[in-house]
Amino acid sequence: DAGITQSPRHKVTETGTPVTLRCHQTENHRYMYWYRQDPGHGLRLIHYSYGVKDTDKGEVSDGYSVSRSKTEDFLLTLESATSSQTSVYFCAISEWGDYNSPLHFGNGTRLTVT
Amino acid sequence: AQTVTQSQPEMSVQEAETVTLSCTYDTSESDYYLFWYKQPPSRQMILVIRQEAYKQQNATENRFSVNFQKAAKSFSLKISDSQLGDAAMYFCAYNRDDKIIFGKGTRLHILP
Repeated sequence: DAGITQSPRHKVTETGTPVTLRCHQTENHRYMYWYRQDPGHGLRLIHYSYGVKDTDKGEVSDGYSVSRSKTEDFLLTLESATSSQTSVYFCAISEWGDYNSPLHFGNGTRLTVT
Repeated sequence: AQTVTQSQPEMSVQEAETVTLSCTYDTSESDYYLFWYKQPPSRQMILVIRQEAYKQQNATENRFSVNFQKAAKSFSLKISDSQLGDAAMYFCAYNRDDKIIFGKGTRLHILP
């Protein structure tokens, strides 16, 4: 398995609080992604990164920000969590960094916003 | 914008039988990649098979094969000799320009 670690695995937080999810890789891959998975919606791309300090928005980026100060770490921040952000969040990395690359996923973070 | 559609939210198949999961996509590009991912109850996402759009030949991985119809923008997954371990969510995905877009998934049940 690709070396991808997501932390925490589970988190419960209150509406309005900031939350940061961490993705750590040991593969030195250039591309990293954050997806959220919700029933009936599949996986939707939030943000992705194509290098240190290089990030771009996905299809559901509102309410989320990301940072990548090192190749191995990609952080997802919910500045003020809302109940609609209750979801399972997956981090993924791309092996070759171009469009013929499959993704390798972390084990996901289940976030509950009460 | 690219979209991926999986029209079957759930399917069931008898163990040892064959099942086909459908996927259609919309794109104006001529060069791209398509994938099928499997998500068992463990929640881990696993790559099942991938197809390069410029290749005519359908991809095959053991019991898994695809029927890729580029003109129709169709990318179905066939699972032969279904096994209990095949029970999972299956996601079709499209990859172009650094972004991988997923369909909403098909939940596959295997009946013993």
